[in-house]
Amino acid sequence: SAVISQKPSRDICQRGTSLTIQCQVDSQVTMMFWYRQQPGQSLTLIATANQGSEATYESGFVIDKFPISRPNLTFSTLTVSNLSPEDSSIYLCSVGVTGLYGYTFGSGTRLTVV
Amino acid sequence: AQTVTQSQPEMSVQEAETVTLSCTYDTSESNYYLFWYKQPPSRQMILVIRQEAYKQQNATENRFSVNFQKAAKSFSLKISDSQLGDTAMYFCAFMIDQTGANNLFFGTGTRLTVIP
Repeated sequence: SAVISQKPSRDICQRGTSLTIQCQVDSQVTMMFWYRQQPGQSLTLIATANQGSEATYESGFVIDKFPISRPNLTFSTLTVSNLSPEDSSIYLCSVGVTGLYGYTFGSGTRLTVV
Repeated sequence: AQTVTQSQPEMSVQEAETVTLSCTYDTSESNYYLFWYKQPPSRQMILVIRQEAYKQQNATENRFSVNFQKAAKSFSLKISDSQLGDTAMYFCAFMIDQTGANNLFFGTGTRLTVIP
């Protein structure tokens, strides 16, 4: 399975600023997924990022707030913009192939907005 | 719509004992996959076990096994000989078997504590 390097592992940010999270994969993958995990909650899909096309956002998530880049098949970034305390969460990227093999996750980024 | 329900927010088990975590799901699809993921305090999501819906045989991975009841839409996880390292959040997850963008639908999780 793929190995994902996700950075930063944690950050504390001021209100109104932005944070960009990076995920680097050790192999080429078609689909990358970005999830949010609010404190004590389950994972919620933010968007699916395919190389060469616009990311597909889930209901409740918009590109202006969560812009995503996918410049090649091994790298993606998620930016959380105009931060508010409600954005304090763990953000995880994930890659995989369809089917039984499931998905591999990055180690997560813990964002705290003050 | 696909939903995954984990009705046990927290559970505890004595070390070396057996524990079963419950999961039910709802879908109109006939082809899908089911997974259990473990998330220890390190936040890393670790795949524990996976099951293809068309297979009647229950999946087993060392001390971890599932009881998959397709008609009842139930997918429970049994952990045998529990170890301290099993302490974590456990998420049941579901994925439709179709080409294209496939994402995981997660349950709300069960926090498992293994007591020494």
